[in-house]
Amino acid sequence: EAAVTQSPRNKVTVTGGNVTLSCRQTNSHNYMYWYRQDTGHGLRLIHYSYGAGNLQIGDVPDGYKATRTTQEDFFLLLELASPSQTSLYFCASSDAQGTNERLFFGHGTKLSVL
Amino acid sequence: GDSVTQKEGLVTLTEGLPVMLNCTYQTIYSNAFLFWYVHYLNESPRLLLKSSTDNKRTEHQGFHATLHKSSSSFHLQKSSAQLSDSALYYCALSAGYQNFYFGKGTSLTVIP
Repeated sequence: EAAVTQSPRNKVTVTGGNVTLSCRQTNSHNYMYWYRQDTGHGLRLIHYSYGAGNLQIGDVPDGYKATRTTQEDFFLLLELASPSQTSLYFCASSDAQGTNERLFFGHGTKLSVL
Repeated sequence: GDSVTQKEGLVTLTEGLPVMLNCTYQTIYSNAFLFWYVHYLNESPRLLLKSSTDNKRTEHQGFHATLHKSSSSFHLQKSSAQLSDSALYYCALSAGYQNFYFGKGTSLTVIP
């Protein structure tokens, strides 16, 4: 079973704060994704990457940066956090897109911006 | 562009009644892959079912779904709801080597 590990599991920050969410996958998947989950909106894609050094913009990128430092590691950065970014964040990985290859999700990071 | 629609945001069912969660999709690509993911509280979302074969029923853990390309549908069904089925269910589409597209999710609550 593919493993995707997120840290921290919970984070509280203040408006204007700087936050980094980390994600590591150990199955050499090409694709990694950051989603946010909100009631009424479901899972929305923030950024994704298909390899080290690559970054693609998702559907809700405003206020977020991301960086893929290695095949395994994908980071989500909130440089000036706002209360609207309070959410449950999921990292996921997959071997391919547009195929029957599925997504493997981490356990999520609950972020609260006060 | 591609999209997935889950009409029901909240579904509440009595234990033992049948489950049907609706999913329709739009895509310009002929090679569409449809997925159902389930998210139990405090766990990771995980794959429940997937299919790319038209009119073929796929089953897992008591749930089943059939991809109907003629109506662009992939509804999730179960004959008898259990309390442990209470979760958030997402329908997702992957097609044309594009991103995964998720519906807004259906929160299923099963009551005694």
